[in-house]
Amino acid sequence: DSGVTQTPKHLITATGQRVTLRCSPRSGDLSVYWYQQSLDQGLQFLIQYYNGEERAKGNILERFSAQQFPDLHSELNLSSLELGDSALYFCASSDFGNQPQHFGDGTRLSIL
Amino acid sequence: GQQVMQIPQYQHVQEGEDFTTYCNSSTTLSNIQWYKQRPGGHPVFLIQLVKSGEVKKQKRLTFQFGEAKKNSSLHITATQTTDVGTYFCAGDNDMRFGAGTRLTVKP
Repeated sequence: DSGVTQTPKHLITATGQRVTLRCSPRSGDLSVYWYQQSLDQGLQFLIQYYNGEERAKGNILERFSAQQFPDLHSELNLSSLELGDSALYFCASSDFGNQPQHFGDGTRLSIL
Repeated sequence: GQQVMQIPQYQHVQEGEDFTTYCNSSTTLSNIQWYKQRPGGHPVFLIQLVKSGEVKKQKRLTFQFGEAKKNSSLHITATQTTDVGTYFCAGDNDMRFGAGTRLTVKP
């Protein structure tokens, strides 16, 4: 158990819809990362937050947004969903930037 | 921007054979991290290398960081079926992961 909790585990929705993925970091970790992993693909870094502030941005689409709340949990919002957004979305946390990351089990998003 | 390239993309070995995956960066890294993702699982942190020329071992796994801190390798001696999975390297603050090397092991 990594200590990182992601909900929901599975999400099935339709094109054009909007969803919110939630992540609770490991206790004591201030940094949260979001990644997208398409089928049999590598990990695409989306965005990083540190103590509530955006720290780094990767290949995140404009239709996607994220935030980290005062209690350090984070949400990733995906809107105007397209079939190509179907993927496994991982959240990871670390105590601060540049340190080993602990990954959650992921949220599997399926767009029908 | 910084790119981290990982090769090979796939590697299939017979159980007992050795395995090596390589990670190369276009820029100097302050550190590199290695992760393993089992099929159906999430990436799990294996090790972090920080110093130029650093070598670390974990049982049958040997990790190296190049002298120029632009490349790294992970070597597994005498692979076992439990080594199956995808091995990722990740460099620096922006955590750009390599595409990973998927290892399959034939018993």
